[in-house]
Amino acid sequence: DAKTTQPPSMDCAEGRAANLPCNHSTISGNEYVYWYRQIHSQGPQYIIHGLKNNETNEMASLIITEDRKSSTLILPHATLRDTAVYYCIVKTGANNLFFGTGTRLTVIP
Amino acid sequence: DSGVTQTPKHLITATGQRVTLRCSPRSGDLSVYWYQQSLDQGLQFLIQYYNGEERAKGNILERFSAQQFPDLHSELNLSSLELGDSALYFCASSSSFGAGDGSGELFFGEGSRLTVL
Repeated sequence: DAKTTQPPSMDCAEGRAANLPCNHSTISGNEYVYWYRQIHSQGPQYIIHGLKNNETNEMASLIITEDRKSSTLILPHATLRDTAVYYCIVKTGANNLFFGTGTRLTVIP
Repeated sequence: DSGVTQTPKHLITATGQRVTLRCSPRSGDLSVYWYQQSLDQGLQFLIQYYNGEERAKGNILERFSAQQFPDLHSELNLSSLELGDSALYFCASSSSFGAGDGSGELFFGEGSRLTVL
């Protein structure tokens, strides 16, 4: 699976959009981009995934660049409960996801 | 609530002992995954089972073993425990084993916190 690079930490003001970047320059054509988050020491929570088209669900939007070498997770109106570690993961067929170090997002009141 | 149940939530034991962690997957999910999260290692994939058979192996120590039973629940057995085995152990489940079609997001339980003294 391709390696991902994320900033170690970010801050976002409550109510503003949080934009979390991820670089995956070695991604191959059949690899999906997945995002998970982990709030404190709870179990990781699935957020969204995509292949090449932008995706949106009730939690977030995923923007994937045309060359697929990077993506951005967007939380449109961040709340304090969105404070968590966000993981960007690239995977092929196997579901045994490999988590990196992620981005620690802190939402500030 | 992810629908994945893990027991016990907390466990304190001594070095050299053996413990068993239990996981009940979401209803209908055939795949079970085990992960270990310690302070200095992050989330490490240990092992995956699909419908009772081992599907993938990660950084699982020889002192650790797992199995998935016919009713699809899974157990992770940790033996000859060492101080460094203290960690959060997560179980996750999915409906598939990974078909390459992007399906099969994982649903994680709340974890079992193991403390080895």
